[in-house]
Amino acid sequence: GESVGLHLPTLSVQEGDNSIINCAYSNSASDYFIWYKQESGKGPQFIIDIRSNMDKRQGQRVTVLLNKTVKHLSLQIAATQPGDSAVYFCAENGNDYKLSFGAGTTVTVRA
Amino acid sequence: DGGITQSPKYLFRKEGQNVTLSCEQNLNHDAMYWYRQDPGQGLRLIYYSQIVNDFQKGDIAEGYSVSREKKESFPLTVTSAQKNPTAFYLCASTTPATDTQYFGPGTRLTVL
Repeated sequence: GESVGLHLPTLSVQEGDNSIINCAYSNSASDYFIWYKQESGKGPQFIIDIRSNMDKRQGQRVTVLLNKTVKHLSLQIAATQPGDSAVYFCAENGNDYKLSFGAGTTVTVRA
Repeated sequence: DGGITQSPKYLFRKEGQNVTLSCEQNLNHDAMYWYRQDPGQGLRLIYYSQIVNDFQKGDIAEGYSVSREKKESFPLTVTSAQKNPTAFYLCASTTPATDTQYFGPGTRLTVL
């Protein structure tokens, strides 16, 4: 079946280093992808999105890369800060206004 | 959390009781969604509504019910038929102009 998943469930990164979070998807019909950040006990927060007609999009300290050939999505966080510690989800649009979510990667920033 | 509110933040229920979780949005969004989140897992879709007075089952609708009488409100009832209701419940909304869903702060339901 179609699924969205993240390569690693956890990521530990030194403060100040760059973080890369990966996501693989299998629905070749998906044309819209979103990254969310979820802090403990809170709802997911929109970080950045990308459409399938693009392969890169940049925001403030974040960059999303899309490789449609291998169905791979990544989120890069520059100069990781303690406040970046959270669970990060990728999501893809399916059909009928529904999103499919991966299980998430827990990012821990070491001081 | 944008303009989406959920209440209560924490909810405790005895077995056999129905409980209703509130979700309100002032974003003028047409579509609203309910998800369930269990530890270490992604979000699973319970119900969604694209327009007032219309809603569809998601992937795990059994034991849940919803209504959409107003554009701003999409309450979720967890019935006694839901065998494992303890979870974190998230409400989201979106406008047809974009697929981006914006989430509320969530309600943590615990069955005693």
